[in-house]
Amino acid sequence: DTAVSQTPKYLVTQMGNDKSIKCEQNLGHDTMYWYKQDSKKFLKIMFSYNNKELIINETVPNRFSPKSPDKAHLNLHINSLELGDSAVYFCASSQGTSELYNEQFFGPGTRLTVL
Amino acid sequence: GQNIDQPTEMTATEGAIVQINCTYQTSGFNGLFWYQQHAGEAPTFLSYNVLDGLEEKGRFSSFLSRSKGYSYLLLKELQMKDSASYLCAALDSNYQLIWGAGTKLIIKP
Repeated sequence: DTAVSQTPKYLVTQMGNDKSIKCEQNLGHDTMYWYKQDSKKFLKIMFSYNNKELIINETVPNRFSPKSPDKAHLNLHINSLELGDSAVYFCASSQGTSELYNEQFFGPGTRLTVL
Repeated sequence: GQNIDQPTEMTATEGAIVQINCTYQTSGFNGLFWYQQHAGEAPTFLSYNVLDGLEEKGRFSSFLSRSKGYSYLLLKELQMKDSASYLCAALDSNYQLIWGAGTKLIIKP
């Protein structure tokens, strides 16, 4: 049983295209996250959803839009892709946001390459 | 600003012991996490410290000093499979995780 799953695992696309990455967790967690990890290996938080409400939104371009149809899913839609968007995108979930429940479980990652 | 510092890369020998240090500066503090990330894979949870002292979990131990803003991860009896990046992350007053860039640990036979 996969706890946090993402699709696709690899995504290669042209500049200017629009693409989506899907994420699902079957852990019953209340909070889900999207991270971007670039070539320098920095893990940068992009979005966090708690019970379908956006609770943090770091300074990412508005070309990136998270969509959460229910608390088990947090999809990431990217418009007008740029070369600098090439990175690995990780979805994660945690039971909550307090210190006791912030252990995060990560999906396998989606490697996005923009040509 | 908020900042996490850890060495970029370390090398150690199979069977030996290695200590990976992490210093943090955050707005408030609600604990410190260590994650392991093998190349091409997702990070996986190793430890969480919120009180001062050493927490031991098998071959891995994690230490925290809140007054010094300092933590370390201690790996004993190193195995080749321990070759990975080790990420330090601090939980700030808003319960947001502030991530370090990771320490790439290379194990040599």
